[in-house]
Amino acid sequence: AQSVTQLDSQVPVFEEAPVELRCNYSSSVSVYLFWYVQYPNQGLQLLLKYLSGSTLVKGINGFEAEFNKSQTSFHLRKPSVHISDTAEYFCAVTTNAGKSTFGDGTTLTVKP
Amino acid sequence: GAGVSQSPSNKVTEKGKDVELRCDPISGHTALYWYRQSLGQGLEFLIYFQGNSAPDKSGLPSDRFSAERTGGSVSTLTIQRTQQEDSAVYLCASSEERTGGAYGYTFGSGTRLTVV
Repeated sequence: AQSVTQLDSQVPVFEEAPVELRCNYSSSVSVYLFWYVQYPNQGLQLLLKYLSGSTLVKGINGFEAEFNKSQTSFHLRKPSVHISDTAEYFCAVTTNAGKSTFGDGTTLTVKP
Repeated sequence: GAGVSQSPSNKVTEKGKDVELRCDPISGHTALYWYRQSLGQGLEFLIYFQGNSAPDKSGLPSDRFSAERTGGSVSTLTIQRTQQEDSAVYLCASSEERTGGAYGYTFGSGTRLTVV
């Protein structure tokens, strides 16, 4: 079985500041790692994914994430956030069976 | 279609009534998933279809919940004798999955179900 822990339920940050949203996971098998974003009143969109290879992956809207196998983490980062980045962010792990396990989400609020 | 379409977008029903939620996935996507998102919570897996078969229905909360998929396309999630705890946003996702979970999901906008 897999599990995902998003360490912060809410992250407030000022505009143009850097941000890190933390995600740890556990699994007895190899997994693929994903971040999804849910803007207010919208469905979830795929932000980025790690399958293999380089541990630093880049996604849409200037976000990136780093896979750390020894720490079983997949933290999401952005060097400078905008008001429009205010949303809920979900970390997810998927096995070869295809079913994803999601974290409880982190609400990012960007303040002017 | 261009995206995953879910209907209705909102549904208010009386306790004890049955409801049907519909999902129309992206054309050609073989895998289809139903999740439930309760207020302030993460996504709870309900059921997974590969084609018309459901190899994993382990997340269905009770026998009041059932789902089917026909023609490898549209799926319907049915909740019988609805209870207030069924109130949530029901999300459908599809995936261009052939050999595993590497593709990620495309989600619909969800159906917000309110049981009164």
